[in-house]
Amino acid sequence: DAKTTQPPSMDCAEGRAANLPCNHSTISGNEYVYWYRQIHSQGPQYIIHGLKNNETNEMASLIITEDRKSSTLILPHATLRDTAVYYCIVRPAGAGNNRKLIWGLGTSLAVNP
Amino acid sequence: DAGITQSPRHKVTETGTPVTLRCHQTENHRYMYWYRQDPGHGLRLIHYSYGVKDTDKGEVSDGYSVSRSKTEDFLLTLESATSSQTSVYFCAISESTNSGNTIYFGEGSWLTVV
Repeated sequence: DAKTTQPPSMDCAEGRAANLPCNHSTISGNEYVYWYRQIHSQGPQYIIHGLKNNETNEMASLIITEDRKSSTLILPHATLRDTAVYYCIVRPAGAGNNRKLIWGLGTSLAVNP
Repeated sequence: DAGITQSPRHKVTETGTPVTLRCHQTENHRYMYWYRQDPGHGLRLIHYSYGVKDTDKGEVSDGYSVSRSKTEDFLLTLESATSSQTSVYFCAISESTNSGNTIYFGEGSWLTVV
């Protein structure tokens, strides 16, 4: 199962875009890229996911490189409430494969005033 | 919110006592999971369920048992709590649909074993 590599920490100024990178160089063709975040003392929160194409929702944008070996989560206008640990994980397609998720330590994003 | 309720949210117990954590969902999702989260570790899967009375072990299942007698409830039991089981426990749910298999988490149960 593919694993991911993320920087342990990042800083971002409030109001600026936060670009969080993730390397998943061993990803397989049928594996999705998922992003979650965990605000202190809360459960992980789903943000966005994608397979090949770039995706956007009300929370963020996900940019996946053409070779799918890396991706970037973009928070377009970071606020103090976006301070959290962000997890990038890959998930094999198919029912029940959430049991195979490998959760690393993520990137701790600090949004500064 | 994903319609997941964990109880109790906080508990302090003594070594050797049994403890049961409850996860209740209102989404009618097929899959349910119990994870633990500790400093220096990512989320680690304890047990999961793929249907009523259908469960299987995860990565760190020793010392834990689970039961699922109804779709909406997934119980995690520590038969004899140890200090190494002091942790925060997260329940999660997911469904298998054409639109995806996103996993959603509860707010956590903080367990301290003294």
